[in-house]
Amino acid sequence: QSALTQPPSVSGSLGQSVTISCTGTSSDVGSYNRVSWYQQPPGTAPKFMIYEVSNRPSGVPDRFSGSKSGNTASLTISGLQAEDEADYYCSLYTISSTWVFGGGTKLTVL
Amino acid sequence: EVQLVQSGAEVKKPGESLKISCKGPGYSFTSYWIGWVRQMPGKGLEWMGIIYPGDSDTRYSPSFQGQVTISADKSISTAYLQWSSLKASDTAMYYCARAQFSSSWYFDYWGQGTLVTVSS
Repeated sequence: QSALTQPPSVSGSLGQSVTISCTGTSSDVGSYNRVSWYQQPPGTAPKFMIYEVSNRPSGVPDRFSGSKSGNTASLTISGLQAEDEADYYCSLYTISSTWVFGGGTKLTVL
Repeated sequence: EVQLVQSGAEVKKPGESLKISCKGPGYSFTSYWIGWVRQMPGKGLEWMGIIYPGDSDTRYSPSFQGQVTISADKSISTAYLQWSSLKASDTAMYYCARAQFSSSWYFDYWGQGTLVTVSS
């Protein structure tokens, strides 16, 4: 089964940019644009932020952007705000028609 | 407005059965897959399985196959997650989420979560 690797934590200062990585393999992340991203502020349900690597649904600020290079997908948050402090999860829809989530990254806004 | 409304928190003893629900007003419930996701205390998200309420086609993560049962009643726009014999390790927050398809699949709307506590 696919596994997605995320850094446990990242931090950035107000107004700065941070990037969260999500690493898979050449057979999954590297071959398909099937990565989505979710934000989970403390004590709340996950919220959908990015789909198909880089598409942003309506209502999500354009400070949030997604990209991919090789086997690694990334979520970049620019102009950090205090309310961006949350856990962030990448997810992959696999070729086996199942879903897998990364381990999650805790973003701290300094 | 799309909403997924989950049933309330549960406190159960080991060995008891449980069925939690996820109701989807505000959209065509039978036309979208509904997934279930577990989050153990202080841990990350784990995909458990998914159901298509239109015909109850169901798929499970290998990690949860045989451990839980996912079902749906399309007449009342509700999906369910059930256990026949709970264990302490089932203590977690459980989320339902609607799966959407563009050129791939993702979860666009999430329920508020149901906290299940299993303790003797």
